[in-house]
Amino acid sequence: DTGVSQDPRHKITKRGQNVTFRCDPISEHNRLYWYRQTLGQGPEFLTYFQNEAQLEKSRLLSDRFSAERPKGSFSTLEIQRTEQGDSAMYLCASSRGYPHEQYFGPGTRLTVT
Amino acid sequence: DQQVKQNSPSLSVQEGRISILNCDYTNSMFDYFLWYKKYPAEGPTFLISISSIKDKNEDGRFTVFLNKSAKHLSLHIVPSQPGDSAVYFCAASARNIQGAQKLVFGQGTRLTINP
Repeated sequence: DTGVSQDPRHKITKRGQNVTFRCDPISEHNRLYWYRQTLGQGPEFLTYFQNEAQLEKSRLLSDRFSAERPKGSFSTLEIQRTEQGDSAMYLCASSRGYPHEQYFGPGTRLTVT
Repeated sequence: DQQVKQNSPSLSVQEGRISILNCDYTNSMFDYFLWYKKYPAEGPTFLISISSIKDKNEDGRFTVFLNKSAKHLSLHIVPSQPGDSAVYFCAASARNIQGAQKLVFGQGTRLTINP
């Protein structure tokens, strides 16, 4: 399977805990995106990497959120001191240049209790 | 502000008939448009796209039409099949100086195909 993969698929955590998600993009794709989707809404852009450089961050990405893409391969998204409002589906997507379709992973469903 | 809008939260169509899903946008800088299909607990699946230099793109049963003057696009599915039942998202992007292609999504339309 050469699609985008995400791990874990589900995460339940208590408020105040830190969580980290991983995304493995399609291998030949140099662009990687993180989105967040809440119930009844379309996905919303969080951040963008071109190779290992994080080139854009949404204002949705508060100081508690950090993302990395070491060596331009997989990416991690960490949320510190989780809040109930962080409960959402976190989606990763990858693509080649512009304009090209983005391919999404299955997502990580985060529930903060 | 909602730059991409799908005004129909749901649509019900008879199997074998045409399904038409609509999408409106406000940002004239958008130059690439996509449709995604989403099943519950899965990520969006790419269906079809269109560049702003075109007004139509076809792929099998799926056709996307773009009307730039009206800032409107639509997805036609012919013939509709039960497996098409899903939530459909319209998305748009505008290239920025970092070369990012961040997608702006509509709220989605739930399509139900009835046998």
